[in-house]
Amino acid sequence: GEDVEQSLFLSVREGDSSVINCTYTDSSSTYLYWYKQEPGAGLQLLTYIFSNMDMKQDQRLTVLLNKKDKHLSLRIADTQTGDSAIYFCALSGGYNKLIFGAGTRLAVHP
Amino acid sequence: GAVVSQHPSWVICKSGTSVKIECRSLDFQATTMFWYRQFPKQSLMLMATSNEGSKATYEQGVEKDKFLINHASLTLSTLTVTSAHPEDSSFYICSASPGQSTDTQYFGPGTRLTVL
Repeated sequence: GEDVEQSLFLSVREGDSSVINCTYTDSSSTYLYWYKQEPGAGLQLLTYIFSNMDMKQDQRLTVLLNKKDKHLSLRIADTQTGDSAIYFCALSGGYNKLIFGAGTRLAVHP
Repeated sequence: GAVVSQHPSWVICKSGTSVKIECRSLDFQATTMFWYRQFPKQSLMLMATSNEGSKATYEQGVEKDKFLINHASLTLSTLTVTSAHPEDSSFYICSASPGQSTDTQYFGPGTRLTVL
């Protein structure tokens, strides 16, 4: 089945850019998503990219998709303390299902 | 838009009792709702998929008699944990999909269940 991998932890200084990476094994997903989870809360959809796109930008967020390498990344510009959370990448797995990575915990320090 | 609520946000119950968790899509009709379970510092594990008016489809290893799912309307799905035991303690999250081509799911805030 589909395997989605993320690095577990990322620490950045406030104001710097954060890049969260995700690799996957199955390239048949039509859409790829990034969700944010704050402590004790559900998941918030941040953005998604269609599989035939290479890049999508939405304010401080930039999503890059390299289908050849099966690599998805999320760049957060000017990272703020409010961006501290767990970030999940997810792929559409058919039948409306999502397949999630393990999540990357982003810590933003002064 | 696309707001999903869950109730209760947290619940503590005694072992052997049943607990019902509600998931509502507040401003859209959800053709499909999903129930996930999340253990501390882990990813989400899909438990089941439910379509309005149909029986839920459970993932492998999830006991359908233990976790009863009802999707009575296009805005409400319920998960009942029957005869709860301490190992059922977890964070349960629902999501709802309006059935768009993007397959986007909108998530509820989660329910933390603690079984004593």
